[in-house]
Amino acid sequence: EVQLVESGGGLVQPGRSLRLSCTAFGFTFGDYIMSWFRQAPGKGLEWVGFMRSKTSGGATHYGASVNGRFTISRDDSKNIAYLQMSSLKTDDSAVYYCTASPPDPTGAAHPVYWGQGSLVTVSS
Amino acid sequence: DIVMTQSPDSLAVSLGERATINCKSSQSILYNSNNKNYLGWYQQKPGQPPKLLIYWASTRESGVPDRFSGSGSGTDFTLTISSLQAEDVAVYYCHQYYTVPLTFGGGTKVEIK
Repeated sequence: EVQLVESGGGLVQPGRSLRLSCTAFGFTFGDYIMSWFRQAPGKGLEWVGFMRSKTSGGATHYGASVNGRFTISRDDSKNIAYLQMSSLKTDDSAVYYCTASPPDPTGAAHPVYWGQGSLVTVSS
Repeated sequence: DIVMTQSPDSLAVSLGERATINCKSSQSILYNSNNKNYLGWYQQKPGQPPKLLIYWASTRESGVPDRFSGSGSGTDFTLTISSLQAEDVAVYYCHQYYTVPLTFGGGTKVEIK
């Protein structure tokens, strides 16, 4: 059974850092694009960023609101993707979802598998 | 950035009736080399993550009931629920994955009339 399990969320003060983890089960993790999305309470979905598979070069892309502050990485030996968040702002408060997108010849990154989400609250 | 505009914002439909949700992209999301539209539809119920219903604008994800269908090309797309069931009450989002930044429509809330 395919499963993505996020961990690491919680309450953090503005300006501090936090790292989310996403552990994958049930599919060939190394072949998939791993992405992060977020959803503020009562709001819509926002793309945070993604990392391509190592075999596709491992490039990362980020949304403008997090570029330079957030970093996505992956450990294919452990089937884990990470979202390192630094210089956190109150606007970063949201449920963060880890997703996986299957390999595609054009590099398309449509998320198929979603985790249950991890709540991050940035507040003093 | 590609802006995705969904309509209506909310929709109340009687059980067994048709529900139609529209999504318009600010530029074409049709990739000419493979003739695919880089458009997905997601369903989100309260307290749950989004669930993929449709990708490539019209391909139904495995396990999704056939009352859900997607259509359209270029900049105009539609999600149709042919016969609304009680379990279809949710917010529906369209999503373009043609280019970064990946973007979503604002969502359409579907309720029972």
